Amino acid sequence: TQLLEQSPQFLSIQEGENLTVYCNSSSVFSSLQWYRQEPGEGPVLLVTVVTGGEVKKLKRLTFQFGDARKDSSLHITAAQPGDTGLYLCAGASLSGGFKTIFGAGTRLFVKA
Amino acid sequence: DTEVTQTPKHLVMGMTNKKSLKCEQHMGHRAMYWYKQKAKKPPELMFVYSYEKLSINESVPSRFSPECPNSSLLNLHLHALQPEDSALYLCASSQLDRGNTEAFFGQGTRLTVV
Repeated sequence: TQLLEQSPQFLSIQEGENLTVYCNSSSVFSSLQWYRQEPGEGPVLLVTVVTGGEVKKLKRLTFQFGDARKDSSLHITAAQPGDTGLYLCAGASLSGGFKTIFGAGTRLFVKA
Repeated sequence: DTEVTQTPKHLVMGMTNKKSLKCEQHMGHRAMYWYKQKAKKPPELMFVYSYEKLSINESVPSRFSPECPNSSLLNLHLHALQPEDSALYLCASSQLDRGNTEAFFGQGTRLTVV
């Protein structure tokens, strides 16, 4: 069974603080995606990481893919209230075909 | 255009009703998906279509019946649902590329079964 373990599940921080969300698995993934979801809306794709060791930056967000392609992290610098939302990692393992699975999600709340 | 369009946005139906959810994408993606999401949970995969053929059914009850009329459209036919089927139903699409499985999601249909 392929699982994506995401941590922490909930995070409440002050504006301006930094944070890191982790996504770990025992399976190897061809790629991993990070999404952000607002209540009642569909997940919005933030980034896809494909190459082991890859680092991608999206403004104040930094995404990293582990060398072995089993884990990923999302780091937010100087969080703002607009960053509040549910962050989901997702991927299809090399043995899973096109069956994309999701981590449990990290619910982030940034207080002004 | 990276848009996946779902209709309707909201749906209330009785347990004896028959209704359909619709999804459309024009990105040329050949994989399309249905997910179900309950409150405070991540999306759960229901069905995957590859080249308009059903390739994955995650043991979904037969009261949910998917259909892929062509490469741009995906439907989910609903019949005799239960109140516990109330959820956000998400459609997604992706390229059929094992190296990159990024999926683009629609806004979802909020379904309430009464």
